[in-house]
Amino acid sequence: SQTIHQWPATLVQPVGSPLSLECTVEGTSNPNLYWYRQAAGRGLQLLFYSVGIGQISSEVPQNLSASRPQDRQFILSSKKLLLSDSGFYLCAWNPAYTGTDTQYFGPGTRLTVL
Amino acid sequence: GENVGLHLPTLSVQEGDNSIINCAYSNSASDYFIWYKQESGKGPQFIIDIRSNMDKRQGQRVTVLLNKTVKHLSLQIAATQPGDSAVYFCAENYNAGNNRKLIWGLGTSLAVNP
Repeated sequence: SQTIHQWPATLVQPVGSPLSLECTVEGTSNPNLYWYRQAAGRGLQLLFYSVGIGQISSEVPQNLSASRPQDRQFILSSKKLLLSDSGFYLCAWNPAYTGTDTQYFGPGTRLTVL
Repeated sequence: GENVGLHLPTLSVQEGDNSIINCAYSNSASDYFIWYKQESGKGPQFIIDIRSNMDKRQGQRVTVLLNKTVKHLSLQIAATQPGDSAVYFCAENYNAGNNRKLIWGLGTSLAVNP
């Protein structure tokens, strides 16, 4: 069966510090991968998605970047965090070429920027 | 997306009652719809889906209804339990050129009173 992991689970970082959040998927090959951000009490905002190694699409202009160095690894980064980067970051995946769009989510990372 | 800045609507029900959560979707070309449940501090979990060639689909204690005429989707939960307390999101999928696009609804917070 497939599983998706995210770490760390929680993170408190000062403004201006760098960020690296990691997401890995097990039990599947060539998944589509997604990064979302969710502010408290709000809906989901798609940040990035990837259909393959090195292929990243950005949905909104922002202070963050994403990379996919391996097939089942998706990384969210920032060189200098802003207060507005605080939120709940969710990684998701779905199978490529199956004709379904259901996305499966990881447990999330709670980021607080102080 | 445009929904991410809005506060979530709330639905409060008594334990044992039936719950109906509504969602208005935006694109008449959407052909696949999904309901997710998100418990506090966790990632969204898939509940049930429906394709546009159907108007009703049933799962365990849940039923999704689709009305394409008015672009309306609903999730019915029978005999609501305290464990059903969560935020519920609808999502719609459609073809955008060579890609599939996923649009998330605002979300509804369901509170179950004992």
